[in-house]
Amino acid sequence: RKEVEQDPGPFNVPEGATVAFNCTYSNSASQSFFWYRQDCRKEPKLLMSVYSSGNEDGRFTAQLNRASQYISLLIRDSKLSDSATYLCVVNPKYSSASKIIFGSGTRLSIRP
Amino acid sequence: TAGITQAPTSQILAAGRSMTLRCTQDMRHNAMYWYRQDLGLGLRLIHYSNTAGTTGKGEVPDGYSVSRANTDDFPLTLASAVPSQTSVYFCASSDLPEGTDTQYFGPGTRLTVL
Repeated sequence: RKEVEQDPGPFNVPEGATVAFNCTYSNSASQSFFWYRQDCRKEPKLLMSVYSSGNEDGRFTAQLNRASQYISLLIRDSKLSDSATYLCVVNPKYSSASKIIFGSGTRLSIRP
Repeated sequence: TAGITQAPTSQILAAGRSMTLRCTQDMRHNAMYWYRQDLGLGLRLIHYSNTAGTTGKGEVPDGYSVSRANTDDFPLTLASAVPSQTSVYFCASSDLPEGTDTQYFGPGTRLTVL
């Protein structure tokens, strides 16, 4: 089993739709969690950190389920500009980013 | 601020040749990292540095070396390039240990080894 696993997609949804994807992780001791966004041929950029209580940033909601070892990202009212690859990122040791594990990414394509 | 810059943007390199990929950050972050990204494999850590003067090996360090003479610069050297090192290379930094483990990435170097 991969340490961080994501559905590669692609998810192809119409503008305005709600889309959600999950990411599972294998290390139950993992301490911090993120969603990064990566546009084609560009660098990854932090979308949001994921907190135990769940957190929301505008149209984006992230949740963490420690019992089942997954994090999720929900995008409401999707825009064309949301088309990108979304990377799930897990850090088993907060004090060191050298152990951070990146998922392979989920491709999202929003159609007009 | 510029954040993190990388050079060159892209390069075609003959197998057996050496090359240094440059990375500079202006955020005064302690920690810096080098990743390679290959299709279907995600980002894999090559080397990292928790602070100036120290370096460590990541998941895929073979064939690469790094140095960290100061806070701002973290060059990655391929001593004798092989075709399997064809990849996109990203440099990143984070504010550990004082800050969070959020990483900030440079724009990447696209390297082709023939």
